[in-house]
Order: sequence, then C-alpha cells, then structure tokens
Amino acid sequence: DTGVSQDPRHKITKRGQNVTFRCDPISEHNRLYWYRQTLGQGPEFLTYFQNEAQLEKSRLLSDRFSAERPKGSFSTLEIQRTEQGDSAMYLCASSYRQGAYNEQFFGPGTRLTVL
Amino acid sequence: DAKTTQPPSMDCAEGRAANLPCNHSTISGNEYVYWYRQIHSQGPQYIIHGLKNNETNEMASLIITEDRKSSTLILPHATLRDTAVYYCIVRAHTGTASKLTFGTGTRLQVTL
Repeated sequence: DTGVSQDPRHKITKRGQNVTFRCDPISEHNRLYWYRQTLGQGPEFLTYFQNEAQLEKSRLLSDRFSAERPKGSFSTLEIQRTEQGDSAMYLCASSYRQGAYNEQFFGPGTRLTVL
Repeated sequence: DAKTTQPPSMDCAEGRAANLPCNHSTISGNEYVYWYRQIHSQGPQYIIHGLKNNETNEMASLIITEDRKSSTLILPHATLRDTAVYYCIVRAHTGTASKLTFGTGTRLQVTL
C-alpha cells in the first residue's frame, strides 16, 4: 500500500502524559498537513510543511503541540501534558505541489482518547 | 476562504442519482469549488474540483451555476459504499494556499 500511513491508529492516555504520533506521507510528496477532527465536526487544519519547513500553523496549535518533519519525509506530532479536550482524531495528509493544484491524500488517522 | 452551506443530511436510494447541493454565495473569482468525502472511520477522500465549468470524472459530476454562488455534486448511480459525509470546500489556488477548510458537510445515507 503506497498511501499515507499513520501510527498508532489508536492511543489512550491519561491526562498530563505526553503523546507522539507519526505520519508517513506518500513518497515524493513534498507537502504534509496535520488536521484534528472532533466528533460531528469536519477536520480542522493544524499545520503544514513543505519539505522540512513548517510554513503555517493554526491558532489551534497551542504551545503544548509541536510538529516536526526533520528530513522532509515522515512527520511527528507531539502533544505535551495532554488534556481531555485533546481527545480527537488526528489526521495527516500529503500532496505534491504541481502548479497551483494539489489534491490532498489523507491517512486513516490516529484516534486519541485522554482519560 | 469563502464559507459554504450544505444540508446536514440526505437520503438516496441505491441505484438512483444523489444530488448534493452547496451554497457558496461569497465565493471570489479565484476560488475553486472542491468536494471531499469521508467514509466512517477513514480519512477524507478527494472527489472532484472545478472553477466555473462543469466537471466530470469517474466518481462524480460537478455542476457550478453561472454566477458561481452554488454548486451540485452528482453521484450518478449511488451505491451503499457511497454512504459518507460529503464536504464542499472553496479555496484559492494561490502560491501559499494550503489548508482545506472543512465545514460540517452533508451526511449522505444510501439505502436499499
């Protein structure tokens, strides 16, 4: 399967713990995005990378959240001192910028539950 | 990006055409209309996009009104596997345009 993969698929943690998620984009896709989705809502943009550069961050991305894409390939999203409000599905997407149009391909998501 | 309005839910009988409307009355001249769908427990999936002409691909057709203030996504022969939440999104193709701004979408239920 050459699609976007995310690991883990499910994570249960206690409030105050740190968690880290990984996203492997489609090979040769130079753009990588993180979104968060809560129940009954559409996905909300968190941040995106072009190669290894983080070009945009949403105001939703508090200082407890950090994302990296060190070599322009896979990316990690870390949440420190988790809170119950962080419970959500975290989606990763990738795209290859060709001209102005870039279809985003989404992974299956990581579902985080904070107890 | 312009805001969109979609009905919260729709039903469609299997084998019939599903017509999903979207209003985007504040769309700008450089903004495209995109449709994505999200099947339960999966990430969103791109369907189609267009600027002002009608578009068709193997999944669906997109009809955009002449004034571009609304559009309709058509699934010509809906199947049970088309049951999903469908999102209409408008966005520009500028140099730094990146994020997709999702609303709450239309939950399409295809029934036997």
